[in-house]
Amino acid sequence: GAVVSQHPSWVICKSGTSVKIECRSLDFQATTMFWYRQFPKQSLMLMATSNEGSKATYEQGVEKDKFLINHASLTLSTLTVTSAHPEDSSFYICSARDYGRVYEQYFGPGTRLTVT
Amino acid sequence: KQEVTQIPAALSVPEGENLVLNCSFTDSAIYNLQWFRQDPGKGLTSLLLIQSSQREQTSGRLNASLDKSSGRSTLYIAASQPGDSATYLCAVRSLNAGGTSYGKLTFGQGTILTVHP
Repeated sequence: GAVVSQHPSWVICKSGTSVKIECRSLDFQATTMFWYRQFPKQSLMLMATSNEGSKATYEQGVEKDKFLINHASLTLSTLTVTSAHPEDSSFYICSARDYGRVYEQYFGPGTRLTVT
Repeated sequence: KQEVTQIPAALSVPEGENLVLNCSFTDSAIYNLQWFRQDPGKGLTSLLLIQSSQREQTSGRLNASLDKSSGRSTLYIAASQPGDSATYLCAVRSLNAGGTSYGKLTFGQGTILTVHP
């Protein structure tokens, strides 16, 4: 149980285009989802927290107009990187908090984004 | 602001050794602490979660301890195997602003473990 999926697992896009990453909780309802970014050999940095039906809360230094987050249902959150640039290339990991077990987060397998 | 530090940054051991990974955090007002494993290019797998009121948790060959007052946790791996090779991340969940519930999860930089045959 408590499986979180991400799609796609990797994506290559050209500079200036937008790319959408999906995060789904497969067997539980996630009232809260989190988006993290991880650079090579570095730790996870929280980008934003989203609650179902509400606007996402972004961490300091994260451009909300560049990283659009939508949490439309209890099982789906999306991250759209708009007008991507090579410096946006990174590993993006989503996480979901189980409505019934609020003290634990479950993590997706990550999406590798490469912007050329 | 919570800061989490993991030592060592990398560790290479022969198969069969017992080893200890260290994690320290600056703010002892925590809700819980969690140890994760991350394989290269993959997401996180939760290994052990210790609530702030607990001192340790065990799962198979893994044992994690928590000393909240001193801001430290250790992950002990017994009889290491090549399959244990991965990055191990320590993450601390702080209390919320009111001190009554859970807040943000802060990660350490990780320890890269290599167990060679």
